[in-house]
Amino acid sequence: GNSVTQMEGPVTLSEEAFLTINCTYTATGYPSLFWYVQYPGEGLQLLLKATKADDKGSNKGFEATYRKETTSFHLEKGSVQVSDSAVYFCALKETSGSRLTFGEGTQLTVNP
Amino acid sequence: DTAVSQTPKYLVTQMGNDKSIKCEQNLGHDTMYWYKQDSKKFLKIMFSYNNKELIINETVPNRFSPKSPDKAHLNLHINSLELGDSAVYFCASSQDIFGTQYFGPGTRLLVL
Repeated sequence: GNSVTQMEGPVTLSEEAFLTINCTYTATGYPSLFWYVQYPGEGLQLLLKATKADDKGSNKGFEATYRKETTSFHLEKGSVQVSDSAVYFCALKETSGSRLTFGEGTQLTVNP
Repeated sequence: DTAVSQTPKYLVTQMGNDKSIKCEQNLGHDTMYWYKQDSKKFLKIMFSYNNKELIINETVPNRFSPKSPDKAHLNLHINSLELGDSAVYFCASSQDIFGTQYFGPGTRLLVL
């Protein structure tokens, strides 16, 4: 079956530090890949997505590149802010279906 | 301009009670979903409807019954609530079964 594995958290960084949250996946076929973000007490928001190999998704300074050869979709940001503190979820969806499979989530805390 | 909305936002109730959570989307989407987020933040799909027809029904106790009166609404009724039902329940929608999913703010259910 499909699965998504995220780096274990929590992750604590200082403001303006570089962020990487690792995500690898197992899937049949060619899934679409997503990063969702959940701010404290809120619902999930779509952060970025990529639908085919070598696509790069980007939004709000965050980027992730769909790497088929390493089955990865790592999330990066060059300079984090306190307001980026949230839980980040990597997810995949097979092109043939609608079911989203989520990773465990990674809690990010950014200190001033 | 709320895209996917849920009511109530918080629900505290006693074991054995029956409760409903409502979800509405104003995006004109055909497909809607219910996800459960447990205390460890893990997200898992419960149900999905496409054009008011059930298309995903995960291994969920039959105390949980989704109902879709029209394409814009997907409600979740839970009978005989148990302590283990305490979680955050998220509704989501997508243009069709292949589209990107957009989530509501969540309903925080606490069963005492």
